[in-house]
Amino acid sequence: NAGVTQTPKFQVLKTGQSMTLQCAQDMNHEYMSWYRQDPGMGLRLIHYSVGAGITDQGEVPNGYNVSRSTTEDFPLRLLSAAPSQTSVYFCASSPTVDSSSGNTIYFGEGSWLTVV
Amino acid sequence: RKEVEQDPGPFNVPEGATVAFNCTYSNSASQSFFWYRQDCRKEPKLLMSVYSSGNEDGRFTAQLNRASQYISLLIRDSKLSDSATYLCVVNPPDDYKLSFGAGTTVTVRA
Repeated sequence: NAGVTQTPKFQVLKTGQSMTLQCAQDMNHEYMSWYRQDPGMGLRLIHYSVGAGITDQGEVPNGYNVSRSTTEDFPLRLLSAAPSQTSVYFCASSPTVDSSSGNTIYFGEGSWLTVV
Repeated sequence: RKEVEQDPGPFNVPEGATVAFNCTYSNSASQSFFWYRQDCRKEPKLLMSVYSSGNEDGRFTAQLNRASQYISLLIRDSKLSDSATYLCVVNPPDDYKLSFGAGTTVTVRA
């Protein structure tokens, strides 16, 4: 069982370049999300999706786009990379969007992105 | 005010010691609470959920204090392998977007 798979693991971009971080899960989870993690700030939600064809903004969406054409895939696109987007990015999925059941999140291994 | 706040530490403890730390949350109507563990340069992984009555999982004990709006994690008989950052996670009401604390770093020394 692969769980949540995200690629690439490491990437260096020049300012202004665009790129896509790939994320796939094989657990048939409804809920998928992207977080960034910066020192001292914890994980911050960028975008999320509650099902195929449905996406919404999180806490820090500016400069990022997402799409959810299938249940399995949830790519994150950086439109024009900026040094402020240097961070560690985690894709995550949860079985359900029902908050009352408690949302256990499964994370991918992370993508280390540096924008120079 | 941040939704979830944690003492960043680090807590440096010898093997075999007990270490405990708290996490405060701002939304009194929050429903679900978790502790995640994150090793250096790795993804967070669920350590344990936190139930109203408190719960134990081996050497780990989690408590919830709704009146004072904090959760706690206690680690007994610390092992070197317990060295990690512990993330407090809170699920607000009617919202599946989790709020993460910045983490508490624990270092267990031989």
